[in-house]
Amino acid sequence: NAGVTQTPKFQVLKTGQSMTLQCAQDMNHNSMYWYRQDPGMGLRLIYYSASEGTTDKGEVPNGYNVSRLNKREFSLRLESAAPSQTSVYFCASILSRNFGEQYFGPGTRLTVT
Amino acid sequence: DQQVKQNSPSLSVQEGRISILNCDYTNSMFDYFLWYKKYPAEGPTFLISISSIKDKNEDGRFTVFLNKSAKHLSLHIVPSQPGDSAVYFCAASDRTNFGNEKLTFGTGTRLTIIP
Repeated sequence: NAGVTQTPKFQVLKTGQSMTLQCAQDMNHNSMYWYRQDPGMGLRLIYYSASEGTTDKGEVPNGYNVSRLNKREFSLRLESAAPSQTSVYFCASILSRNFGEQYFGPGTRLTVT
Repeated sequence: DQQVKQNSPSLSVQEGRISILNCDYTNSMFDYFLWYKKYPAEGPTFLISISSIKDKNEDGRFTVFLNKSAKHLSLHIVPSQPGDSAVYFCAASDRTNFGNEKLTFGTGTRLTIIP
């Protein structure tokens, strides 16, 4: 069991460029999440997917889009990156909304110049 | 508006002593609380949780206390070990309405255990 995996681990983008962060889990979890962590801010929820085929906005969704490709994979897309999106991004998953705790991936460190 | 607050950014404790990490919250709808531990370059890992119907939950060296009237919880680690050096995040959820879908995290406390 690899748990929750994220690619890439590091990325540098120029302002205006686009990219997709990939996340996959092999625990047969139903719900998946994208967070960002900024200094002094804790983790903030960007988007989540309660089940395959559904996605919902979290606390800070502006500038991002997501796709729940299948039960295993949940991707986060930045269409036009901005310096304010420089952050560490974590993907997480949970068996279901009412059962279990969230498991996190190792994170993607993104810098936008 | 920070609904979950960890007012101590850092804490240093001698090995073998007790570490106490504190967390305050403002949202009275929160009914489930968690602590996550994070090492550098890794994702957070779940440590311990407590439901609002309890005031204490224990798991080995880790105990979480909840004081609902004060909207305060604390994590006690005893005895502290060098491997406990990490950043600890407090998190809360309104589990009744949202399950574990919407966790609100605090800003974290960096714990350093001094050998």
